[in-house]
Amino acid sequence: SQQGEEDPQALSIQEGENATMNCSYKTSINNLQWYRQNSGRGLVHLILIRSNEREKHSGRLRVTLDTSKKSSSLLITASRAADTASYFCATDARGSNYKLTFGKGTLLTVNP
Amino acid sequence: DADVTQTPRNRITKTGKRIMLECSQTKGHDRMYWYRQDPGLGLRLIYYSFDVKDINKGEISDGYSVSRQAQAKFSLSLESAIPNQTALYFCATSDFAGELFFGEGSRLTVL
Repeated sequence: SQQGEEDPQALSIQEGENATMNCSYKTSINNLQWYRQNSGRGLVHLILIRSNEREKHSGRLRVTLDTSKKSSSLLITASRAADTASYFCATDARGSNYKLTFGKGTLLTVNP
Repeated sequence: DADVTQTPRNRITKTGKRIMLECSQTKGHDRMYWYRQDPGLGLRLIYYSFDVKDINKGEISDGYSVSRQAQAKFSLSLESAIPNQTALYFCATSDFAGELFFGEGSRLTVL
């Protein structure tokens, strides 16, 4: 069963705008990760946030984690056409021995 | 060279045939995984291995088997392929508690 669920399923924005994607999960976690997948390619790790962290930044990416609400958000600022991809959250549930479970993803389209 | 290499990248086969997908890695990681991706369903874990002597079933292991030939090699087999195993298959590696490194995927079509 899916642990993480991304919202929205699809998002279309203009270049330069910010994109926000959300992830909700069901059980307590050790950490939560975000991955990016260009069409038909392998997934690429973007950022990892631990359960005791609330916010993390990496370049134009900002990730927040609210363990009380069991949710996370990924913000991409000043988006570019090259950011067009699917974005997945993956959770590492407590007791899973650091085995990741992925959500179904958000398809982000950035229009030039 | 890629850190995680999958072969073949594309394969078309017929129902009932045996298929092997191979994965090799140069990351030196102990942990290796096989995932399946279907449109709209995200990635689902088939099997995983935390070291050469450790093999574990994931959430959708029925119809699949694996072999961990060495730290660097982890193969996935479909003993008798069926059409609903048509999917994009990914191998990944990780260290103890960090990020996954994915291969480029093996697209399998079962007719």
